[in-house]
Amino acid sequence: RKEVEQDPGPFNVPEGATVAFNCTYSNSASQSFFWYRQDCRKEPKLLMSVYSSGNEDGRFTAQLNRASQYISLLIRDSKLSDSATYLCVVNMAEYGNKLVFGAGTILRVKS
Amino acid sequence: GAVVSQHPSRVICKSGTSVKIECRSLDFQATTMFWYRQFPKQSLMLMATSNEGSKATYEQGVEKDKFLINHASLTLSTLTVTSAHPEDSSFYICSAIRGHEEKLFFGSGTQLSVL
Repeated sequence: RKEVEQDPGPFNVPEGATVAFNCTYSNSASQSFFWYRQDCRKEPKLLMSVYSSGNEDGRFTAQLNRASQYISLLIRDSKLSDSATYLCVVNMAEYGNKLVFGAGTILRVKS
Repeated sequence: GAVVSQHPSRVICKSGTSVKIECRSLDFQATTMFWYRQFPKQSLMLMATSNEGSKATYEQGVEKDKFLINHASLTLSTLTVTSAHPEDSSFYICSAIRGHEEKLFFGSGTQLSVL
């Protein structure tokens, strides 16, 4: 089983749609979780951290379910500019940093 | 925000040559830097963790004699791909951690093409 698993997609959605991605992780002791966005052949950029209580940033909502060991990202009112690969990142280290990336989920928003 | 500069952005070289990639933290000291490789349509794969003043820690399956990492100062880590072969062609990207933050600051990546 991979340490961090994501549905690769692609998710093809129209503008204005709501889309959700899930990501599962194998290490129950993992402490920190993040969503990164990566455009083709560019460096990943931090989209948001994921907190136990869930958090929202504009059109983006991230949630963590420790019992089921998954995190989710919800994008509302999709824009063309949201088209990218979304990477789930989990810090697997109990102390320090061992950030493990998921394979990414491709989102394509079309007009 | 913190800036990490990676150079060169693109390299085309002949098989058998060595290629050096530099990663610099421009406005902070990075005691730890990471090197990743990304093949087309795949995710970032951690190759090694580079610690200033000590030997790099390589992930399983990554040949340390082929991918030489040097982190001689708090602002510079280099990755040298020795005797490159076509199968080494990939997107290589570095990242750095500032202090005790968990957030990664990424370089812009290097596309290596070995002919």
